Amino acid sequence: GQNIDQPTEMTATEGAIVQINCTYQTSGFNGLFWYQQHAGEAPTFLSYNVLDGLEEKGRFSSFLSRSKGYSYLLLKELQMKDSASYLCAVRVGKAAGNKLTFGGGTRVLVKP
Amino acid sequence: GAVVSQHPSWVICKSGTSVKIECRSLDFQATTMFWYRQFPKQSLMLMATSNEGSKATYEQGVEKDKFLINHASLTLSTLTVTSAHPEDSSFYICSARHNRGPYNEQFFGPGTRLTVL
Repeated sequence: GQNIDQPTEMTATEGAIVQINCTYQTSGFNGLFWYQQHAGEAPTFLSYNVLDGLEEKGRFSSFLSRSKGYSYLLLKELQMKDSASYLCAVRVGKAAGNKLTFGGGTRVLVKP
Repeated sequence: GAVVSQHPSWVICKSGTSVKIECRSLDFQATTMFWYRQFPKQSLMLMATSNEGSKATYEQGVEKDKFLINHASLTLSTLTVTSAHPEDSSFYICSARHNRGPYNEQFFGPGTRLTVL
């Protein structure tokens, strides 16, 4: 089975940086995704990592270490609109249907 | 970009009735779609994988006779909640996998909020 852990909640100040960690234990790893979800809305794609290292996209960066089963999402220059849940999701391989397994999500609250 | 729609966006029904939710990929073909449910303040739980032209693959613990899935075309999958009960009230989200996307990622629909009275 798959096991994905991330903190439940984080609070940060507008303009600051927040790092959301995600640890996973899985078989057939085939990539890790980060999604943003505002309350009552669908998740939207933020980033994808399949090789070790850092992927940077504007204010958002994501890091992966496959040997450690660890990823983080870094949000810089926080804005009020960044208040949302951030979901870490691991994709398993084709043999297992290329499914996504989601972590519990991390609710980030940005304060002025 | 890749757009996925769901209909209806919300539905309220009486206990014992059946409800059908549609998921459409608007600008791409999707041989595979996924159905999730999400309870308040919880993450997405995969219910089943919907494959065009073949039977859906259900996750452990999901009743296939309760949640009927039909994927009749490359752009449409439907989820029917049969004989709905209050405990079926939830947020149902579909996604479609874009095989030509850079990451083969799933694109999510806006969700359907089901309330069973």
